[in-house]
Amino acid sequence: DAKTTQPNSMESNEEEPVHLPCNHSTISGTDYIHWYRQLPSQGPEYVIHGLTSNVNNRMASLAIAEDRKSSTLILHRATLRDAAVYYCIRYNAGNMLTFGGGTRLMVKP
Amino acid sequence: EAEVAQSPRYKITEKSQAVAFWCDPISGHATLYWYRQILGQGPELLVQFQDESVVDDSQLPKDRFSAERLKGVDSTLKIQPAELGDSAMYLCASSKTGGGPNTEAFFGQGTRLTVV
Repeated sequence: DAKTTQPNSMESNEEEPVHLPCNHSTISGTDYIHWYRQLPSQGPEYVIHGLTSNVNNRMASLAIAEDRKSSTLILHRATLRDAAVYYCIRYNAGNMLTFGGGTRLMVKP
Repeated sequence: EAEVAQSPRYKITEKSQAVAFWCDPISGHATLYWYRQILGQGPELLVQFQDESVVDDSQLPKDRFSAERLKGVDSTLKIQPAELGDSAMYLCASSKTGGGPNTEAFFGQGTRLTVV
């Protein structure tokens, strides 16, 4: 039970920002929010993670709601290579890195 | 750049045969994971190692699956006998010593198993 809820799929236009939502309403104080993505025929790839504060790295930004019950992965300019399944995962020391169904992002040229 | 190595990339086997997959994690990574991914679904954790010890194997079908990491470095996942329903991608991942939830996991390219 991954305990996160994501839309099954989303579409975006190339070079536009993409906001991928994730709901984790039962999150505990020690749960980190991780995002991974999986391109076709490849293993998952780490994107970003955070606990309470918003996080930025070269791939994306992670915005975590103040109550931590939801978060949003932000791709600032989508490219065709960003088309993948994006997984939002709650992860703490007591549970394993457990994947749910993810969001399939389609990027249109 | 360091990578998690898996072999073979593809494997076709007949049902009731034995099959094995190998994983070499990134050097120095004490935590190693094996996942199974059925087409169209997210990866499902089968077993997690910390060094040579099993941390969690609650989702590993122990009647036919076994996993070992004898020297705390590389690992082997075995299925015997294989069944048609075992057809899937088998993924290996590793993370740093003492990683836990504040550390990223690195995944290999996986082994695509087809049981016929």
